[in-house]
Amino acid sequence: DQQVKQNSPSLSVQEGRISILNCDYTNSMFDYFLWYKKYPAEGPTFLISISSIKDKNEDGRFTVFLNKSAKHLSLHIVPSQPGDSAVYFCAASAGTNAGKSTFGDGTTLTVKP
Amino acid sequence: DAGITQSPRYKITETGRQVTLMCHQTWSHSYMFWYRQDLGHGLRLIYYSAAADITDKGEVPDGYVVSRSKTENFPLTLESATRSQTSVYFCASSESGHRNQPQHFGDGTRLSIL
Repeated sequence: DQQVKQNSPSLSVQEGRISILNCDYTNSMFDYFLWYKKYPAEGPTFLISISSIKDKNEDGRFTVFLNKSAKHLSLHIVPSQPGDSAVYFCAASAGTNAGKSTFGDGTTLTVKP
Repeated sequence: DAGITQSPRYKITETGRQVTLMCHQTWSHSYMFWYRQDLGHGLRLIYYSAAADITDKGEVPDGYVVSRSKTENFPLTLESATRSQTSVYFCASSESGHRNQPQHFGDGTRLSIL
C-alpha cells in the first residue's frame, strides 16, 4: 500500500501562472514533509520542506501548504517559469525513522512559454 | 566541491553477473542511502547506513548487498543480477539522521540487465 501518493502524473501550465502540485499521505506518523525537484539525467534536489507543526512554509516563489486533518499537502509555484519544468517528488518522514523518507511517484510539471 | 558522485553512470550487464555500483561523498555526512527508481515510479529505499560499519535494510533489500568501511563510500552490489533489477539507482547522503535534514542525491546510475 503506497503511503505517499501523487495522483497527478503530469501537469501543464502557462508561464507566469500558478502551478499547484498535490500530495496525499496515509500514515499519520509522518510529521515532516519535503519536496524535491528532478531534472532529466540528474538526481533529485531538495526544494522546500514543512514540519507538521506548521501549515505553511514559503521560500521565494515556492510555498508548501499542509492540511493535517486531510493528510494532504500541496506545493504552489508562483509565478511559474519554463525552468521549473521538472519532475517534483513529495517525500514524508516520521520521527522514528532515522532520516528515511517515503517518496511519492512524482508529478511531471511542464511550464509553457 | 564535488559533493556526491556515482559511478558508473551507465552499465549494461547480463543476468547472473555480479555488479557493483559506487557512491562517494565529500561532505563527511553520517547517513547514506541507496534508492532505485523504476520507470514511472518514485524512489524506493534499498539500504541505508547511519555511519561507517552500520547498515540497515530499506523497503526493497532482496538481491542487494552493501558495505560501508569508510564514511565517504557506500557501494551497492548486486550479487547475481536479474532483469527485474533493471532500474536507475540513486545514492544520497544527509548530514544527520534527523528527519528535517534533506538528502543530497547523486546523478544516478542507469543499470540495464539483459
